Amino acid sequence: DAKTTQPNSMESNEEEPVHLPCNHSTISGTDYIHWYRQLPSQGPEYVIHGLTSNVNNRMASLAIAEDRKSSTLILHRATLRDAAVYYCILRRLIQGAQKLVFGQGTRLTINP
Amino acid sequence: SAVISQKPSRDICQRGTSLTIQCQVDSQVTMMFWYRQQPGQSLTLIATANQGSEATYESGFVIDKFPISRPNLTFSTLTVSNMSPEDSSIYLCSVTGTSSTFATDTQYFGPGTRLTVL
Repeated sequence: DAKTTQPNSMESNEEEPVHLPCNHSTISGTDYIHWYRQLPSQGPEYVIHGLTSNVNNRMASLAIAEDRKSSTLILHRATLRDAAVYYCILRRLIQGAQKLVFGQGTRLTINP
Repeated sequence: SAVISQKPSRDICQRGTSLTIQCQVDSQVTMMFWYRQQPGQSLTLIATANQGSEATYESGFVIDKFPISRPNLTFSTLTVSNMSPEDSSIYLCSVTGTSSTFATDTQYFGPGTRLTVL
């Protein structure tokens, strides 16, 4: 399974931008880069995904390096509710089924 | 909005017993998955629940220990059999679909079932 590497933890202040890095040097051409987050005592929730181009949605932005070996999740203005574990995942189709292989993720702490 | 529910939300069980966890979705989905999250750890995929056929298990997980059913497009069960304290975990189901509610390229997770085995 394709592996991602993320810092174990990061800390930021409320109302400031947050840049969460992810390395995925073994990514293949058909792997999508997905980000999920898990708030305390909840199941993971989808944040954003992309293949080659940068992506924006209402929750975050995803910046993908030109060689696709790394990506960065950007929270433009962090709030206390953004405190969670953020998972960077390479989604690949295996025999027609998508598979998500979760790494250890980055625990994001937001200071008021 | 679409809802994924799990029952029970939590349970405390004695070793050697079995527990069946239910996952109910309020609209039809194509794929259903079961994950385990051990204390302080990330999620590990147990199996893909296939409608009308046997589940597809990941390496390290076997049907005798984790039998799975999926009788229709909105419901699945995971049984944790002959439990030991090492089975204490959060068990989560997730789904993908083909509708605007559950997209094909995203997994949607239930709230999880917290299991403690004494």
